[in-house]
Amino acid sequence: QVTLRESGPALVKPTQTLILTCDFSGFSLTTSGICINWIRQPPGKALEWLARIDWDDDKYYTSSLKTRLTISKDTSQNQVVLTMTNVDPVDTATYFCARQLTTVTKFDYWGPGTLVTVSS
Amino acid sequence: DIQMTQSPSSLSASVGDRVTITCQASQDVNTYLNWYQQKPGKAPQVLIYEAANLETGVPSRFSGSGSGTDYSFTISSLQPEDIGTYYCQQYEDLPITFGQGTRLEIK
Repeated sequence: QVTLRESGPALVKPTQTLILTCDFSGFSLTTSGICINWIRQPPGKALEWLARIDWDDDKYYTSSLKTRLTISKDTSQNQVVLTMTNVDPVDTATYFCARQLTTVTKFDYWGPGTLVTVSS
Repeated sequence: DIQMTQSPSSLSASVGDRVTITCQASQDVNTYLNWYQQKPGKAPQVLIYEAANLETGVPSRFSGSGSGTDYSFTISSLQPEDIGTYYCQQYEDLPITFGQGTRLEIK
């Protein structure tokens, strides 16, 4: 059974660094063709893709946030971590992680999401 | 970046109606186009992948079609449980981009 779950602080102050963790089970990120994506959704707004990390440690970022994002994995802990530096109130959103098989383009399993509010 | 223009932004229909949502890409996405349903407070779920493939377990009243830059998503007979917001997503090129969503409600 594949599951993913995001965790992180509910509230962060502007200029701080946000660290989000995606804990997953039911598959291994050492398996060829598997990757994990991060997507966010500001309240009442559309989905925005942020980053992806592949089983072979290839990494991809959305261009508008590339200088602020770092994605990494800990395969022994079945975790993927997304770090976002210098947060701003516009970064207030629900953050999701989602699994993808690189042989198909769909995000087949998602975590429930974690709401992060950026406010002083 | 590939821009995805989805329409309409909201839709109200009656149970049993046929409902269609369209998505236009700013360039050819070669059928790398997925459709997701999102219910309030929940994560999205894929319904259709690569333009026309029905995800396992998804009712057959949902369908997708299209090619090049123009795609559509259809619910053949709207059911009460179909309320939510629907998003298209392209995966032809990174960054992955989503449409702005279509909020579907029951009349």
